[in-house]
Amino acid sequence: AAGVIQSPRHLIKEKRETATLKCYPIPRHDTVYWYQQGPGQDPQFLISFYEKMQSDKGSIPDRFSAQQFSDYHSELNMSSLELGDSALYFCASSPMGQGIDESGSTGELFFGEGSRLTVL
Amino acid sequence: AQKVTQAQTEISVVEKEDVTLDCVYETRDTTYYLFWYKQPPSGELVFLIRRNSFDEQNEISGRYSWNFQKSTSSFNFTITASQVVDSAVYFCALSSETTGGFKTIFGAGTRLFVKA
Repeated sequence: AAGVIQSPRHLIKEKRETATLKCYPIPRHDTVYWYQQGPGQDPQFLISFYEKMQSDKGSIPDRFSAQQFSDYHSELNMSSLELGDSALYFCASSPMGQGIDESGSTGELFFGEGSRLTVL
Repeated sequence: AQKVTQAQTEISVVEKEDVTLDCVYETRDTTYYLFWYKQPPSGELVFLIRRNSFDEQNEISGRYSWNFQKSTSSFNFTITASQVVDSAVYFCALSSETTGGFKTIFGAGTRLFVKA
């Protein structure tokens, strides 16, 4: 079965540079989430999109922006990179269903393998 | 506010021992989902189990078992006869449905070391 695809898997950037991460959700999943996991930390929610509109926002820095495109893929843009941005970035997708008893809604986020960003 | 607490930061066991990872959650939602994920050294998040708030039935899958108790807001995970390959960070997560998606938060994780 198709999974969530993230690219690139590894990225090395210098301070103050810009980076873009891409995420391709599972087909027919209309919701995409971005999480940031620093070394030794738990994944922290950054932002989510439902049907190409931002649906929720977490601890995403102003230097970061994201969008979901018409084909449902999403991109996370990070500018003026700082050393502290070095982390594993996960994208996840889910289908939106009608509720707990409906087959489309399980509450589960399907995670990609992550993109590891290193800022030097 | 939602919260997931994994009080055990690190656990070290010897192979073949049983080990229980604790998870306590807080939520005001009546409908929610609980998860356990495994994160091996390679970094990916591996889905282990999902439970919804209306299903308190415990589950066993091979050497893994889960004990969901709403009365104590706990969703503990037990590995029986642990193996070296079980060494990983284990995250408990809580998810509830919001407008336009799910809000999922993670506990801080428990790092499990299984020594041969």
